[in-house]
Amino acid sequence: GENVEQHPSTLSVQEGDSAVIKCTYSDSASNYFPWYKQELGKGPQLIIDIRSNVGEKKDQRIAVTLNKTAKHFSLHITETQPEDSAVYFCAAKSWGKSTFGDGTTLTVKP
Amino acid sequence: GAGVSQSPSNKVTEKGKDVELRCDPISGHTALYWYRQSLGQGLEFLIYFQGNSAPDKSGLPSDRFSAERTGGSVSTLTIQRTQQEDSAVYLCASSLYQGANYGYTFGSGTRLTVV
Repeated sequence: GENVEQHPSTLSVQEGDSAVIKCTYSDSASNYFPWYKQELGKGPQLIIDIRSNVGEKKDQRIAVTLNKTAKHFSLHITETQPEDSAVYFCAAKSWGKSTFGDGTTLTVKP
Repeated sequence: GAGVSQSPSNKVTEKGKDVELRCDPISGHTALYWYRQSLGQGLEFLIYFQGNSAPDKSGLPSDRFSAERTGGSVSTLTIQRTQQEDSAVYLCASSLYQGANYGYTFGSGTRLTVV
């Protein structure tokens, strides 16, 4: 089955700096890669996704890149703000269920 | 409804008791998923339903766990003879369809504590 690895497990940045979270996956059949943000006491929320026919996608301060050959994808957050502090999960999906990474706890220091 | 609704939000039960967790997905979403999140851990897949197809039960950790989805809408996850290791947050998510290119909308979860 699919295996998704996510790094780093924790990330601390100064407000205004950029943050990068990286994931690798094992199943070449996966073709949909969503990212979720989970705040304390809440369920994960989809913040951006990318499909296998696209190399990069941007939405305001967040962007995601995908390298299908190397089987890795990344989340980039620019101009970080304290409200970006949360746990971020990457996932990979081909059909049926998504497989999630173990999460990255992002702390943005004011 | 506007989002995925889960009840109860918190459940404390004694070891050995049975519990039922409920999930009400977004109207029109044909796929429904259950995941488990232990403290500080990632998301462990349990089971998913797609329309009237047989569910994918491959993630259920033991035969004490079961789930059903009635009328293609509300789902109930049942844990029999609860054990302390069952303590976790149980998350339900729904999706328009099971295929690729469809992300999940999660509920806020049910925090289960077995004492």
